[in-house]
This record gives sequence, structure tokens and C-alpha cells, in this order.
Amino acid sequence: EIVLTQSPGTLSLSPGERATLSCRASQSVSSSYLAWYQQKPGQAPRLLIYGASSRATGIPDRFSGSGSGTDFTLTISRLEPEDFAVYYCQQYGSPFGQGTKLEIK
Amino acid sequence: EVQLVESGGGLVKPGGSLRLSCAASGFTFSSYNMNWVRQAPGKGLEWVSSISSSSGYIFYADSVKGRFTISRDNAKNSLNLQMNSLRAEDTAVYYCASYSSSLGGDWGQGTLVTVSS
Repeated sequence: EIVLTQSPGTLSLSPGERATLSCRASQSVSSSYLAWYQQKPGQAPRLLIYGASSRATGIPDRFSGSGSGTDFTLTISRLEPEDFAVYYCQQYGSPFGQGTKLEIK
Repeated sequence: EVQLVESGGGLVKPGGSLRLSCAASGFTFSSYNMNWVRQAPGKGLEWVSSISSSSGYIFYADSVKGRFTISRDNAKNSLNLQMNSLRAEDTAVYYCASYSSSLGGDWGQGTLVTVSS
């Protein structure tokens, strides 16, 4: 079973700053099935990035995904107040990473 | 507009069964892999099960293997999750979610399952 480890567990930043979230897999995964999700309190998750680097419909271009093999990254270029949330990575058909909480510093 | 609407949640006693359904609309359901994901109160997302677009590949989390069965009906644009031998630790909001490596995906709003005597 593939295990995804996200780091850091919590990231404290200010609006306007750049956020870099990491997702490391225990073995090589297919980029086609690597996704990033955002979840805000009381809401259903929403898909941000699919296929490791493709933005989902309606997702602002400040969100970008990169990586291959075992190392993947979600980057938010300039944080907006609405970006503070919990972020998860997942390979389709496998467990989620434990999540990174992005909080306001 | 893409919609995924879960139904079938509720209160059930330990050892009981429940069948969740997810009605899909606004997109080509048969082109997407489908997932069930759950979230216990105050916890993170837990993947439960996945089924490929044509039902050829099915996966289950170890925690539900042998107790839960996922299925889909592409003619009816529906996804199902049959849950048997339910335990207290199955208590969660259950979400259905679509995923395509070329098209993206969406999530429903979830349905609450409570397992308690």
C-alpha cells in the first residue's frame, strides 16, 4: 500500500506570502492519479490539482502542482485570506496524506 | 452544473447494514472513476473505496474490506456503497467524489452515517 506523507503538518504564513506544501510517497506513483484537495471547516473538500499539475475547473492560477515519482509539491504563489485551509494529497485508489493545515500567522 | 448528491445515511446499530447512493448529473458519469471518502468528526479524510469508470477495477481500504461493497450503474448515473457489519468507528460523513486523470473531478456534500446502539 502506498503511504503519502505530507509536510509540514502545519504551515503558518501571512497573506501575500508564498506557500509550499510537500507530499512524499513511499513508492513511485503515477502522476496521472496524484491529486491535491482543499478543505475548509464545515465544507466538503474540493479538487484543486489533478494529474499532479493540472488545475481543476475554477481554480485560480496562484495554485500550481508539480513533481513526479515520489515527490510532489503544491505551491500557492501569493496567499489570499480564503486560502487558509487544510490541504490533502492523494493518489486515486489509495489513502490520503495526513493533511497540511495552512494557518494565518 | 455538476452535481453529486449522496443519500442513504442515518442512524444504524452496530452490526447493522446501510446502503449509500450517489446521484450524478451535469457531466459524463461513465468517463470518471468514482470514490467514497469518509470523515469522522474532527478527523482527516479517509479513503474508503474506488471504482473505475467501467467497473473493471475496484479498490477498498483495509478498514472496510470484506464489509463494504462499491458498485456503479452508468446507465443510471449512480454510485452505491453497501455497508454491512457496521461498527462504531464507521461513524462519519461519507462523500462521493469523481476523478479523471484528464478531466478533473468533483465532490458531493456528504451524508452522515452514525453507528450507535
